[in-house]
Amino acid sequence: DIVMTQTPLSSPVTLGQPASISCRSSQSLVHSDGNTYLSWLQQRPGQPPRLLIYKISNRFSGVPDRFSGSGAGTNFTLKISRVEAEDVGIYYCMQATYLRTFGQGTKLEIK
Amino acid sequence: EVQLVESGGGLVQPGGSLRLSCAASGFTLNNYEMNWVRQAPGKGLEWLSYISSSGRTTFYADSVKGRFTISRDKAKSSLSLQMNSLRAEDTAVYYCARDAIFSGYDLNTFDIWGQGTMVTVSA
Repeated sequence: DIVMTQTPLSSPVTLGQPASISCRSSQSLVHSDGNTYLSWLQQRPGQPPRLLIYKISNRFSGVPDRFSGSGAGTNFTLKISRVEAEDVGIYYCMQATYLRTFGQGTKLEIK
Repeated sequence: EVQLVESGGGLVQPGGSLRLSCAASGFTLNNYEMNWVRQAPGKGLEWLSYISSSGRTTFYADSVKGRFTISRDKAKSSLSLQMNSLRAEDTAVYYCARDAIFSGYDLNTFDIWGQGTMVTVSA
């Protein structure tokens, strides 16, 4: 089974400052079709998750461009260029190369 | 508006059964691959099950394999999760989630989520 490990588990950030979350998979997420199915989702308090990024670096419709994804193979990163108050929540990476597995989540909070 | 609505949650005793349903509005459920995901209180997300658009292919997480069954009723355009032999650790909010499609290709991620239905397993 694929294990997804996120770091840090908690990230206090000052408004307007950048934030970065890492996600590491226990094996390469490159699919036999050549794609890497690594997504990032945001869950605001009391809400269902919301898709931010798919296939490593593609922003989903309506997602602000301050969110960006990068990485390859087993190491991936979500970056927020300038954190806003509405970004508070828990961020999950998810792999869908081998069934689906979520990371344990990273809580983003404002300092 | 495109949305998913889950129903069927509630309180059930250990060893009991429950059937969850997921209804769609604003799009045709039959055209999409679908999933169930759960979230225990204060915990992270756990993927449980997948079903293809045809209904012929299903996958399960090890934690529910043999106890849960995902299905879809094409005529009713609905999705279900039959949960048997329930345990206290199955207590969670259960979400149905749609596989995202772009230009006819499955993106292998979830673009639409329901609000969830709470399942509590307790004596």
